[in-house]
Amino acid sequence: RKEVEQDPGPFNVPEGATVAFNCTYSNSASQSFFWYRQDCRKEPKLLMSVYSSGNEDGRFTAQLNRASQYISLLIRDSKLSDSATYLCVVKRNTGNQFYFGTGTSLTVIP
Amino acid sequence: DTGVSQNPRHKITKRGQNVTFRCDPISEHNRLYWYRQTLGQGPEFLTYFQNEAQLEKSRLLSDRFSAERPKGSFSTLEIQRTEQGDSAMYLCASSLAGRRGETQYFGPGTRLLVL
Repeated sequence: RKEVEQDPGPFNVPEGATVAFNCTYSNSASQSFFWYRQDCRKEPKLLMSVYSSGNEDGRFTAQLNRASQYISLLIRDSKLSDSATYLCVVKRNTGNQFYFGTGTSLTVIP
Repeated sequence: DTGVSQNPRHKITKRGQNVTFRCDPISEHNRLYWYRQTLGQGPEFLTYFQNEAQLEKSRLLSDRFSAERPKGSFSTLEIQRTEQGDSAMYLCASSLAGRRGETQYFGPGTRLLVL
């Protein structure tokens, strides 16, 4: 079983829509969680860390459910510029590897 | 620019040749990671350094791959006797590990094509 699993999509949504991505992780000892954004042929860039109590940054809300071992990202009022691949990232509390999902592709349509 | 930098940005080589990539991390960061990414996949961990010490290596890192970080600053990743399957984007990331957690910042990557 993969360490991190994501629905690859693609998600095609109209501007202004709300879209949610989920990600599951296999190791209950995972400690740190992140969402990264990756534009085509560019490097991943940190979108937000995910905290146990959930956190929000503008139109973006991240939540963590440790019991079910999943992480979610909610994007409200989608913009054309949100079109990208969103990578779910998990770090265990042992060792120092970061585990990346395959990414979820989002296209926001005018 | 105080971010992570990588050189070269692109490399085309013939099968069997050796290639070397360089990564310059954010200056105060003590950890440096190398990843490989192929189309449609997320970055896959190759190895990481804490200061100059190489602390973990993935099973993906065959004996044709070697990485160094001689003075705990920049790092190099060498691939010997390249194969077509080595074609990928090679990403470097750096972080400052501490009690408040760790966040990685990526360089722009080196895109390798082996003919």
